[in-house]
Amino acid sequence: TQLLEQSPQFLSIQEGENLTVYCNSSSVFSSLQWYRQEPGEGPVLLVTVVTGGEVKKLKRLTFQFGDARKDSSLHITAAQPGDTGLYLCARGGGNKLTFGTGTQLKVEL
Amino acid sequence: KAGVTQTPRYLIKTRGQQVTLSCSPISGHRSVSWYQQTPGQGLQFLFEYFSETQRNKGNFPGRFSGRQFSNSRSEMNVSTLELGDSALYLCASSLGAPGMNTEAFFGQGTRLTVV
Repeated sequence: TQLLEQSPQFLSIQEGENLTVYCNSSSVFSSLQWYRQEPGEGPVLLVTVVTGGEVKKLKRLTFQFGDARKDSSLHITAAQPGDTGLYLCARGGGNKLTFGTGTQLKVEL
Repeated sequence: KAGVTQTPRYLIKTRGQQVTLSCSPISGHRSVSWYQQTPGQGLQFLFEYFSETQRNKGNFPGRFSGRQFSNSRSEMNVSTLELGDSALYLCASSLGAPGMNTEAFFGQGTRLTVV
């Protein structure tokens, strides 16, 4: 099994702070996806990165795919309570996904 | 358009019983997958169906099974329930065939508690 390790596992911050979540693997993957899951809901796709070194921005979220395509990061600027949730990276495509271990983020007022 | 619908939302069963969960994909989506989410193991792939055929299977015992109907609706069944089967079971549907990198849309899940 090709594991996707995420760090940190838990993160509790104040509104307005910045944070970075990491996703690492020992193997190369062709693409990587980031999801956010809110309580009582299923995961929702945020972004897909496919090219080594690629950077994608989604409002206050910045996603980066490592040059060697073995790691990825998600940076949130000026976090808001609405960013609270479980952030998951995943590899694979379509409907056969291997998910990372997850980062539980809580943003407090 | 309507999203992925899973029923029931919550379920309590006793050890040894069996359970059937249902998933209705987004209209037009022919690929349906099931995942199990637990605090200890995270989100794990169970199986994938396309055109009524199981195309991929995760590393779960034979007690876990599923099927897909001609209208793409899917069911999964767990027999001889164990306490460790308590989990959130998520269904996802996508437009493309297996292997195609089309976006997966998840339902809200069924929370199964085994007592």
